[in-house]
Amino acid sequence: DVKVTQSSRYLVKRTGEKVFLECVQDMDHENMFWYRQDPGLGLRLIYFSYDVKMKEKGDIPEGYSVSREKKERFSLILESASTNQTSMYLCASGRLAGALSYEQYFGPGTRLTVT
Amino acid sequence: ILNVEQSPQSLHVQEGDSTNFTCSFPSSNFYALHWYRWETAKSPEALFVMTLNGDEKKKGRISATLNTKEGYSYLYIKGSQPEDSATYLCASASVIIQGAQKLVFGQGTRLTINP
Repeated sequence: DVKVTQSSRYLVKRTGEKVFLECVQDMDHENMFWYRQDPGLGLRLIYFSYDVKMKEKGDIPEGYSVSREKKERFSLILESASTNQTSMYLCASGRLAGALSYEQYFGPGTRLTVT
Repeated sequence: ILNVEQSPQSLHVQEGDSTNFTCSFPSSNFYALHWYRWETAKSPEALFVMTLNGDEKKKGRISATLNTKEGYSYLYIKGSQPEDSATYLCASASVIIQGAQKLVFGQGTRLTINP
């Protein structure tokens, strides 16, 4: 079974703090993703990485950065947390599963509250 | 950003009844359509990946159809059970780089089964 784990289920931080959200996958997938989910909105892509040390901005990268030093680990960094970054954060890893098929596997999410 | 819309946003169904809901997506440049089930406190779980117009997929009591020409997919649940209570997400996929697929999600349909 694919396993994607996230370092914390719940996190409370203060405005201005630097926050690290860690994600680890155990299936040797090249691709990893960070999303956030807010009420009434779908999962929105923050950043993704298609290989070690490679990263690309998603749809809402402002206020975030990422790090992928090892294949299995993808970190999301909030340089200076703000209250509008209070959200549920989900990590995913992905792979090609056939000629036309692609699979993404999600972690359980980290609910971050910034006060 | 592609606009993926799901309807209804929430649905209450009596146990034993069948139900269905809709995902609509831009039909131009279609690549693939993903369905996920997301139960509270768990990771989103992949249900189907659909790529061809007219595709029909089935997993137990859950099935899905795909119409890429008009840009919609239906998810059907036959004989709803309490364990079907979850948020159902659809996502339209595009290929981004080196085979990785970017998923754009709808806002989800929250299904509650009343015993």
